[in-house]
Amino acid sequence: GAVVSQHPSRVICKSGTSVKIECRSLDFQATTMFWYRQFPKQSLMLMATSNEGSKATYEQGVEKDKFLINHASLTLSTLTVTSAHPEDSSFYICSAAGATNEKLFFGSGTQLSVL
Amino acid sequence: GEDVEQSLFLSVREGDSSVINCTYTDSSSTYLYWYKQEPGAGLQLLTYIFSNMDMKQDQRLTVLLNKKDKHLSLRIADTQTGDSAIYFCAESGNQGGKLIFGQGTELSVKP
Repeated sequence: GAVVSQHPSRVICKSGTSVKIECRSLDFQATTMFWYRQFPKQSLMLMATSNEGSKATYEQGVEKDKFLINHASLTLSTLTVTSAHPEDSSFYICSAAGATNEKLFFGSGTQLSVL
Repeated sequence: GEDVEQSLFLSVREGDSSVINCTYTDSSSTYLYWYKQEPGAGLQLLTYIFSNMDMKQDQRLTVLLNKKDKHLSLRIADTQTGDSAIYFCAESGNQGGKLIFGQGTELSVKP
């Protein structure tokens, strides 16, 4: 099946710093990528939808200036958590859809811990 | 609005069949999905079914869809300890690629 690579898998940072998470589709072109956040023992919460070459669409309650999304190519989207705080600590997962949007493939996730 | 509901826990013995149930609200969903998540990992697509189908079988996995009742189930035959994980049901809604997830069902397989 299709492969989505997410990096890093784990990051620990100090409060106030910024963290960038990368999501790559390795064997297909992803016209749309999605960023999710997951708290322990909970479901995935969609944060934003990014389309290549255009601005991301954020879900209600998600601060676009806090969570910067860039989708500069058909194989790469990045999520930057700016001025991270302990409450931003969470598991972040990206997913990528091909042209038909029939299937979504997920990255392996990034565990962010903000001290 | 769109909503997907699942029971939170299921415990079975190794070798038994597991049935994980899901209900959804958006009748316009084109596809319905089952994903598996192991601790600390991303989601693995197990299988999916097109909304005009009522059953799909893939090796040990059988998906049943009752579109009238908006009920989806995943049956795992001969459940193994390696099947222990959280299983998420998801619907595609009416916006391509944007999935709505259930809360996840934690499957525990006892030897």
